[in-house]
Amino acid sequence: GQQLNQSPQSMFIQEGEDVSMNCTSSSIFNTWLWYKQDPGEGPVLLIALYKAGELTSNGRLTAQFGITRKDSFLNISASIPSDVGIYFCAGQLPRGSNFGNEKLTFGTGTRLTIIP
Amino acid sequence: NAGVTQTPKFQVLKTGQSMTLQCAQDMNHEYMSWYRQDPGMGLRLIHYSVGAGITDQGEVPNGYNVSRSTTEDFPLRLLSAAPSQTSVYFCASSPGSLRRTDTQYFGPGTRLTVL
Repeated sequence: GQQLNQSPQSMFIQEGEDVSMNCTSSSIFNTWLWYKQDPGEGPVLLIALYKAGELTSNGRLTAQFGITRKDSFLNISASIPSDVGIYFCAGQLPRGSNFGNEKLTFGTGTRLTIIP
Repeated sequence: NAGVTQTPKFQVLKTGQSMTLQCAQDMNHEYMSWYRQDPGMGLRLIHYSVGAGITDQGEVPNGYNVSRSTTEDFPLRLLSAAPSQTSVYFCASSPGSLRRTDTQYFGPGTRLTVL
């Protein structure tokens, strides 16, 4: 199956710091999504990206769809305690690809911990 | 409007037992899917359905069956549980196909342990 490499795997930061994480793929995607998962809950969509080069913000979160269509980045500015959780990227392949355009491929997640 | 609900929340099975994980949504969504989440692996698609009566395999379908007799329900059946199926299972739904994936909603998950 498709592979999405997400890094870093974990981050330990202090409150107020900025956070950056990224996802890279061996395949071209036509949609990139970023989710956050709190403990014991399902993932919740944060940002969706649909065009190469697109830069989209949602409050303190900013995500970009890479020009090559093989990567995406998520930044969180001025982190706060409720930012703790696991962040996942997900990609959707172009219509007509073998894997089908109805399915998402997820990254392995970045676990964000805020040190008091 | 409860969104996507999953039952049970926790389950322990013995190897070889069968069981059904329930998923229901009350948003009249056409598209539903099942994922499993394992440490270090992200979420992997097991099966999905684009509407009542239509199902298809995802990335890791072996050992699982699904059916979609109604729009609301999408149960996942484990035919003969194996320790490799120990995982957290998530159901998700969206109004239409994933051409507009910003509308996919996940349930709270079922944590399954197979001994």
